[in-house]
Amino acid sequence: AQSVTQLGSHVSVSEGALVLLRCNYSSSVPPYLFWYVQYPNQGLQLLLKYTSAATLVKGINGFEAEFKKSETSFHLTKPSAHMSDAAEYFCAVRSATSGTYKYIFGTGTRLKVLA
Amino acid sequence: GAVVSQHPSWVICKSGTSVKIECRSLDFQATTMFWYRQFPKQSLMLMATSNEGSKATYEQGVEKDKFLINHASLTLSTLTVTSAHPEDSSFYICSAGGGQGAGDGYTFGSGTRLTVV
Repeated sequence: AQSVTQLGSHVSVSEGALVLLRCNYSSSVPPYLFWYVQYPNQGLQLLLKYTSAATLVKGINGFEAEFKKSETSFHLTKPSAHMSDAAEYFCAVRSATSGTYKYIFGTGTRLKVLA
Repeated sequence: GAVVSQHPSWVICKSGTSVKIECRSLDFQATTMFWYRQFPKQSLMLMATSNEGSKATYEQGVEKDKFLINHASLTLSTLTVTSAHPEDSSFYICSAGGGQGAGDGYTFGSGTRLTVV
């Protein structure tokens, strides 16, 4: 079975500081991994995805993530936090069963950006 | 890009009544739609997967008779919460993809906040 674990349910950073949100995965097959952002009372917006091509994936809003097989990690980073980055972030892995894909989400990390 | 419209965005209903939530893919065909439930400050829990023209596949622990899912066309899936009770209050999110024009991923709707009083 595939799964993702997000370390840290809450992360606070100062505006302009590095953002690092951690995600570790478990998968018996090469995984497809995703990071989503959710603003209050809204759906999920795709930030970036890893689909077995380049291990360093660049996404929207200045975010990027690096796939590290040896560490089974897919951490999300952004060099300089902005107030508008405050939101909930979810890591997800795509699981295939009987030809249908499912997304399995982590428990989420709430990012707070301090002025 | 692929757009999914979900409505209503919020609804308040009385206990015992039924509520229907719609999920539409606006510019692509969605052979597969997922319905999720999200409790406050928690992650998304997959409730069911629906494929166009066939019965939905429900996750373990989800009551089929309570959460009726219909996916009658390639652009529309509905979730009906029957005989709603306060414990059904939650944020429901749909996700669609898999068909022509959908790209290689799934697009999420903006969610529906259901409050049962």
